[in-house]
Amino acid sequence: GDSVTQMEGPVTLSEEAFLTINCTYTATGYPSLFWYVQYPGEGLQLLLKATKADDKGSNKGFEATYRKETTSFHLEKGSVQVSDSAVYFCALRPNNAGNMLTFGGGTRLMVKP
Amino acid sequence: GAVVSQHPSRVICKSGTSVKIECRSLDFQATTMFWYRQFPKQSLMLMATSNEGSKATYEQGVEKDKFLINHASLTLSTLTVTSAHPEDSSFYICSAKGGIVNEQYFGPGTRLTVT
Repeated sequence: GDSVTQMEGPVTLSEEAFLTINCTYTATGYPSLFWYVQYPGEGLQLLLKATKADDKGSNKGFEATYRKETTSFHLEKGSVQVSDSAVYFCALRPNNAGNMLTFGGGTRLMVKP
Repeated sequence: GAVVSQHPSRVICKSGTSVKIECRSLDFQATTMFWYRQFPKQSLMLMATSNEGSKATYEQGVEKDKFLINHASLTLSTLTVTSAHPEDSSFYICSAKGGIVNEQYFGPGTRLTVT
């Protein structure tokens, strides 16, 4: 079945450091890929998405590129802020299943001033 | 746009009682709503999918008689945890999609504690 694997956290960075959170997936065909962010005590917010190979999703300084050849969708940000501290979830939605989301295990990011 | 609310945000109930959690789409009509459960420091697990006006589809291993889901209108779905036990304590998150909203938008979650 479909699956999403994320690097285990926590990831601890200093403010203004470069961020990479790895995400790889297993799925047939061309799924849509997503990154969600969850701030403490809150639900998930859609951060960015990509629906086809080589698409780059971007939002709030974060970006991720859909790499079909490596089945990856790594999240990057050039300069993190303390306010970026949260849990980040990578997810996929198969092309033939309009609703179903499969989530990775989540990666906690802690940014220190 | 695409705002989803949940109520209550936190609830504490005694073992054996039932508790209802509401999920509302505030600015769009949600033809489909989803209920997830999240254990501490873990990912979301889909419990069930509900389409407005029809019975919910439960994921394998989720007791439908224990977790009652009603999706009676295009803006409201409810999850009732019946005869709650301490092991039901968790963070419950709903999401919704419908109409021009093609992606799932998530509510802020409800933390349930059963004592």
